Amino acid sequence: DADVTQTPRNRITKTGKRIMLECSQTKGHDRMYWYRQDPGLGLRLIYYSFDVKDINKGEISDGYSVSRQAQAKFSLSLESAIPNQTALYFCATSDHRDRYTFGSGTRLTVV
Amino acid sequence: KNEVEQSPQNLTAQEGEFITINCSYSVGISALHWLQQHPGGGIVSLFMLSSGKKKHGRLIATINIQEKHSSLHITASHPRDSAVYICAVRLNPDKLIFGTGTRLQVFP
Repeated sequence: DADVTQTPRNRITKTGKRIMLECSQTKGHDRMYWYRQDPGLGLRLIYYSFDVKDINKGEISDGYSVSRQAQAKFSLSLESAIPNQTALYFCATSDHRDRYTFGSGTRLTVV
Repeated sequence: KNEVEQSPQNLTAQEGEFITINCSYSVGISALHWLQQHPGGGIVSLFMLSSGKKKHGRLIATINIQEKHSSLHITASHPRDSAVYICAVRLNPDKLIFGTGTRLQVFP
């Protein structure tokens, strides 16, 4: 099994729908992150969490929310999806020595 | 101006060639990461550097803190090295800024 698992891998949804992307990890890392990747742009940070009950906004948090249900689980929600949220989304974890592990990504299309 | 600039944006090579990908940054950093993203999308961490040089197999990463520059070298390149290589710098306290990536294609 992958160290960082994202579900779903692909999702097509309609404008206005609520959607949740899920991330679970077996690394035992405290730090978890959600990034989005758009063509021609570097990955951008949406939210991050350094522990259960710790939630921090990243550079592009508007339109998104997160939940850290347990050390191993970090979910990203789009409350009302819009087309410009079409992107590739990555969950990542890191340890105290700044070693990162990324999930395989979720390709989200909002139509 | 982006805080992290990579060059070239695209690179093609013949199998066996020596490859160099460059990363320049404009801010003070605590560490620099090199990542590899395969066509399927998954991202793998290759190196994390704060000084000097690291080597893993055919991959070598160097960093010059004074010049704010890092290079990723691939020796004896192979078609399986074809991927997007991403440089990311770590700012204090806990933020990564990513470059836009260098797309490498190695032909047999």
